Amino acid sequence: GAVVSQHPSWVICKSGTSVKIECRSLDFQATTMFWYRQFPKQSLMLMATSNEGSKATYEQGVEKDKFLINHASLTLSTLTVTSAHPEDSSFYICSASASGAIRTDTQYFGPGTRLTVL
Amino acid sequence: DAKTTQPPSMDCAEGRAANLPCNHSTISGNEYVYWYRQIHSQGPQYIIHGLKNNETNEMASLIITEDRKSSTLILPHATLRDTAVYYCIVRVAGTGGFKTIFGAGTRLFVKA
Repeated sequence: GAVVSQHPSWVICKSGTSVKIECRSLDFQATTMFWYRQFPKQSLMLMATSNEGSKATYEQGVEKDKFLINHASLTLSTLTVTSAHPEDSSFYICSASASGAIRTDTQYFGPGTRLTVL
Repeated sequence: DAKTTQPPSMDCAEGRAANLPCNHSTISGNEYVYWYRQIHSQGPQYIIHGLKNNETNEMASLIITEDRKSSTLILPHATLRDTAVYYCIVRVAGTGGFKTIFGAGTRLFVKA
């Protein structure tokens, strides 16, 4: 149990376009989801915390108008990179914190989405 | 900032136990010690967590010192597939907006 999926697993886009990444909790409800970004040979950097039905909380230095997060249901959060530029190329990873009967004390991570902006 | 200190890299022979240390001297009373690992180009995988008692599951054992200022993750019989970056994290448990902040981790190389 406690599986998190992401779609797409990789995407290549042109500079200036927008890209949407989906994060789904497959077998549990997630009241809170987190979005991370990871550059090559670096650790994961938390971008924002997404709570179902409310606005996301962004970490310092993360542009909320550029990285739009929507957490419309207990199993789905989306991250949209607007007007993407080459410096936005990165590995984007989501995680979900379970609620209910599933273990409530840990986070489960998706497999990541590799974004390449040309 | 991450609240933990880990060695940047370690080597281990295949079949031997891998002991990964972590210092968390500023840990609070309600914070747990979590371990995750990340195999190249994949999302982090949960391994184990604990508060103050030693814990064991099918993947690993977690030994936490009595003063809780440090811990050791033990992979009892390391295999080549255990080569990964291992992250030691301290955080409050439970649902809600409890963030998981990653440090640099320890890059474990398991060698044949």
